[in-house]
Amino acid sequence: AQTVTQSQPEMSVQEAETVTLSCTYDTSENNYYLFWYKQPPSRQMILVIRQEAYKQQNATENRFSVNFQKAAKSFSLKISDSQLGDTAMYFCAFAKTDSWGKFQFGAGTQVVVTP
Amino acid sequence: SQTIHQWPATLVQPVGSPLSLECTVEGTSNPNLYWYRQAAGRGLQLLFYSVGIGQISSEVPQNLSASRPQDRQFILSSKKLLLSDSGFYLCAGTSDWALSELFFGEGSRLTVL
Repeated sequence: AQTVTQSQPEMSVQEAETVTLSCTYDTSENNYYLFWYKQPPSRQMILVIRQEAYKQQNATENRFSVNFQKAAKSFSLKISDSQLGDTAMYFCAFAKTDSWGKFQFGAGTQVVVTP
Repeated sequence: SQTIHQWPATLVQPVGSPLSLECTVEGTSNPNLYWYRQAAGRGLQLLFYSVGIGQISSEVPQNLSASRPQDRQFILSSKKLLLSDSGFYLCAGTSDWALSELFFGEGSRLTVL
């Protein structure tokens, strides 16, 4: 079975600064996907970024980027130029390519952006 | 794009009462649909998934059941609620075999008293 671990329950960052969230996972699979989802106070889950395991290049979406280390089974998220609207719970998720969308989620990291 | 609607948004029910949470999908056909539960301080736990009408798979033994009477409708039910059923329930779906994204509904907060 796959497990996803987020070791930071909460992180605080000032506006315009950078914060990095850690995520590690355990799997024996070679083909899979990794995701970061954001859950703001409205509770609507929103996809932030997605990475295919077969791609060596790290995914980037505007101010969000990942550091994917397949051998180390690590998938960290960096938020650059943090904005107040980035305040949310962030979940790391793992899915096998043949998992029928059965994502495994970490426990989440609460990010608080302060003025 | 795919949109998922859930209702009710909040629900307070006594122990032993029945439950029905409904989820509908717009913008796609033949989606895979999922019910997740989110407990405080924990990640999302997959409860049920469905790949088509009448097809339900359960991931964990529990007091809840799911049904899919129509292609774009997914229902989470219970005949008799337990205190432990309290939580935040999320319906999700994907119609993309490449798993480009799992779309989520707005969530339903259930409190069992």
